[in-house]
Amino acid sequence: GDSVTQMEGPVTLSEEAFLTINCTYTATGYPSLFWYVQYPGEGLQLLLKATKADDKGSNKGFEATYRKETTSFHLEKGSVQVSDSAVYFCALSDPQTSYDKVIFGPGTSLSVIP
Amino acid sequence: GAVVSQHPSRVICKSGTSVKIECRSLDFQATTMFWYRQFPKKSLMLMATSNEGSKATYEQGVEKDKFLINHASLTLSTLTVTSAHPEDSSFYICSASPTGGTQYFGPGTRLTVL
Repeated sequence: GDSVTQMEGPVTLSEEAFLTINCTYTATGYPSLFWYVQYPGEGLQLLLKATKADDKGSNKGFEATYRKETTSFHLEKGSVQVSDSAVYFCALSDPQTSYDKVIFGPGTSLSVIP
Repeated sequence: GAVVSQHPSRVICKSGTSVKIECRSLDFQATTMFWYRQFPKKSLMLMATSNEGSKATYEQGVEKDKFLINHASLTLSTLTVTSAHPEDSSFYICSASPTGGTQYFGPGTRLTVL
């Protein structure tokens, strides 16, 4: 079945460091890919998305490129801030198997220290 | 746009009582909503798919008699935890999509059963 794998962390970075969180997926069809962010004590917020191969999603300095050949959707940010501390979830939605369902990776906890 | 609300945000109840959690799509109609459960420092686990005007579809291992779902209208779904026990304590999150594909999540409800 469809699945999402991502580095679980926790990841600790200094402010202004470069961030990469790896995410790979397995899907039957041509899924849409997402990154969601969850700040402490809150629900999930959509950070960015890509709906087809080679699409790049970007928001708030974060970006991720849909790579069909490597089945990956790695999250990157050039310079992290303390306010980026949160848990990041990679996710997919596969219309071929379950149109509206979202399948989540395990989440990666990020702590950014001053 | 695409705002989903949940009420209450936090609830504490005694063991054996029932608790109802509401999920509303504020600026769009949703024929399908989803209910997730999140354990501390864990990813989201899909519990059920709530369908307007019909019975909910439960994931394997989720007790349908314990977690009652009612999708009363195109903007409201409710989750009732019946005869709650301390092990039901968790963070419950709902989601909905205005068009399918991208899910928008509510802020979550923290349930504590004493």
